[in-house]
Amino acid sequence: DVKVTQSSRYLVKRTGEKVFLECVQDMDHENMFWYRQDPGLGLRLIYFSYDVKMKEKGDIPEGYSVSREKKERFSLILESASTNQTSMYLCASTKGPPSGANVLTFGAGSRLTVL
Amino acid sequence: AQSVSQHNHHVILSEAASLELGCNYSYGGTVNLFWYVQYPGQHLQLLLKYFSGDPLVKGIKGFEAEFIKSKFSFNLRKPSVQWSDTAEYFCAVNAPGSGGYQKVTFGTGTKLQVIP
Repeated sequence: DVKVTQSSRYLVKRTGEKVFLECVQDMDHENMFWYRQDPGLGLRLIYFSYDVKMKEKGDIPEGYSVSREKKERFSLILESASTNQTSMYLCASTKGPPSGANVLTFGAGSRLTVL
Repeated sequence: AQSVSQHNHHVILSEAASLELGCNYSYGGTVNLFWYVQYPGQHLQLLLKYFSGDPLVKGIKGFEAEFIKSKFSFNLRKPSVQWSDTAEYFCAVNAPGSGGYQKVTFGTGTKLQVIP
């Protein structure tokens, strides 16, 4: 089975801190995604990457950045955390061309609370 | 840009009742459609998908969905729900975004509670 592993299940940070959320997949998937999940809002795409060192903005990239130095790892960075970034963050990956219809495989999620 | 609407935010059913969850999307071109499910404490996982062909697709655990192109709909159904179907269900649409990349857009989700 494909595994998408998010290193932290629960984090509590203070306003203004820099936060790193790490995601690793072990099945050589080309494409990786970061979503945030909020009650009543569903999943919203923050950033995605279709190749190493490549990134594209999703629907809500403000306040976030990403890094993809290796194929298996995709990091989400909150440069200066704010309370409105308190959320569940989901990493996902897919195999196949970026122009194709691919099924997302999700990690367990990282629940971030910003105080 | 595409959008996805799920009409029911919270549904409560008794076991053995029939289920239909609505999903409508707004994109006029070719789309791929999905239902994902999140059981309590578990990862989001694929329930079923439609790429092409027969518009009635079957997924895991007895779920099915029908793609009606003229109505831009992809409703999820199950004839008889079980307590273990308690979960949150997300409809998703995969359509071309900017730059030629496929982009997956999710609905807001429907929480299903099945009462024994």
